Amino acid sequence: DQQVKQNSPSLSVQEGRISILNCDYTNSMFDYFLWYKKYPAEGPTFLISISSIKDKNEDGRFTVFLNKSAKHLSLHIVPSQPGDSAVYFCAASFPKAAGNKLTFGGGTRVLVKP
Amino acid sequence: DGGITQSPKYLFRKEGQNVTLSCEQNLNHDAMYWYRQDPGQGLRLIYYSQIVNDFQKGDIAEGYSVSREKKESFPLTVTSAQKNPTAFYLCASTRASAMNTEAFFGQGTRLTVV
Repeated sequence: DQQVKQNSPSLSVQEGRISILNCDYTNSMFDYFLWYKKYPAEGPTFLISISSIKDKNEDGRFTVFLNKSAKHLSLHIVPSQPGDSAVYFCAASFPKAAGNKLTFGGGTRVLVKP
Repeated sequence: DGGITQSPKYLFRKEGQNVTLSCEQNLNHDAMYWYRQDPGQGLRLIYYSQIVNDFQKGDIAEGYSVSREKKESFPLTVTSAQKNPTAFYLCASTRASAMNTEAFFGQGTRLTVV
């Protein structure tokens, strides 16, 4: 049973426009959420995170929104750049649980067209 | 520079053989993890360790074994009992003592059974 889901396997966006990636989770005990970016044959790199006590966190071109009642979070990238083309993973963790192990979604492949 | 080193980057194994993937970190992190990624899928947790000489099974531990004799090292053995070992393997670490911290990943090892 997948506890973290990314229902859009791919997304294509024009350079300069906004990319919106979505993530849904089922376990209300998750209290910390992260987004990772991954290039082929490389390890994921951390992008941005949000605690469940917040509903928005912003870092440069990246903003994450959390809607706890809907168990939904989203990542906004604006403006999108060709270098943003990668696979993005949403991840969630429990409160201080088990050494901060993360549960990942299936990923969304983003293609930014010049 | 601190980081996580996985070796080798590519590994080929004959059916029926055990093989060990190396993971070393110099971040002084307490917790270490092994994930597996299959094409078009997210990361699934194999094993994790919060402290030296202790480790726990993740979601897909069957056919794998680990050891944690040193804080810096968390090798993963893929045994002949693993039915479908061909995959991309990722090692990660976190400061287990800290609340809400991101995981840092290595560059991965692609294992192919021939």
